[in-house]
Amino acid sequence: DIQMTQSPSSLSASVGDRVTITCRASQGISNYLAWFQQKPGKAPKSLIYAASSLQSGVPSKFSGSGSGTDFTLTINSLQPEDFATYYCQQYNSYPITFGQGTRLEIK
Amino acid sequence: EVQLVESGGGLVQPGGSLRLSCAASGFTFSTYAMHWVRQAPGKGLQYVSAISSDGGSTYYANSVKGRFTISRDNSKNTLYLQMGSLRAEDTAVYYCARVYPGKYSGNFVDYWGQGTLVTVSS
Repeated sequence: DIQMTQSPSSLSASVGDRVTITCRASQGISNYLAWFQQKPGKAPKSLIYAASSLQSGVPSKFSGSGSGTDFTLTINSLQPEDFATYYCQQYNSYPITFGQGTRLEIK
Repeated sequence: EVQLVESGGGLVQPGGSLRLSCAASGFTFSTYAMHWVRQAPGKGLQYVSAISSDGGSTYYANSVKGRFTISRDNSKNTLYLQMGSLRAEDTAVYYCARVYPGKYSGNFVDYWGQGTLVTVSS
């Protein structure tokens, strides 16, 4: 199975900050990498697919990059509604696997 | 509007069975693969199972292989997860998710249901 490792596991930031979350795959996955946002008690929301393509309706403050084994999610100009847990997911091969999540908290 | 509505969760004893359903609307269900993903209380997301658009191909996480069966009824726009030999560690919120067939970007999840809670306890 492909292991997905996110860093950091948690992150404190202030409104208006820019933050970057990293996701590393244990083997190459091309660009078959997705990012999801989840707020407490809610279903995940799809943000990015193919490492850097925004899902419909997702604001451009979210951006993704990377290929192969190393990927990043960047969020610009943090707003209160952005504080949530973020997960990466590889869909290059089965079993599909997720990172352990990064909890983004308000400083 | 794409909608995925799970049902069928509840409390079940260890060793018991349960069938989850996911009713789809707002899109042509028969042309999309589907996933089940779960989340244990306070934990991260875990892939459970996947099924192709026509039901001809299925995939399972090792942790549920041989105990869970994914299926679909395209005439009813409904996805199912038959769960058997349930264990305490199967306790989780179960989400169904739609898989978009990207031409050059692979098959990725775009929509999620709201989830249904399964609790395995005596």
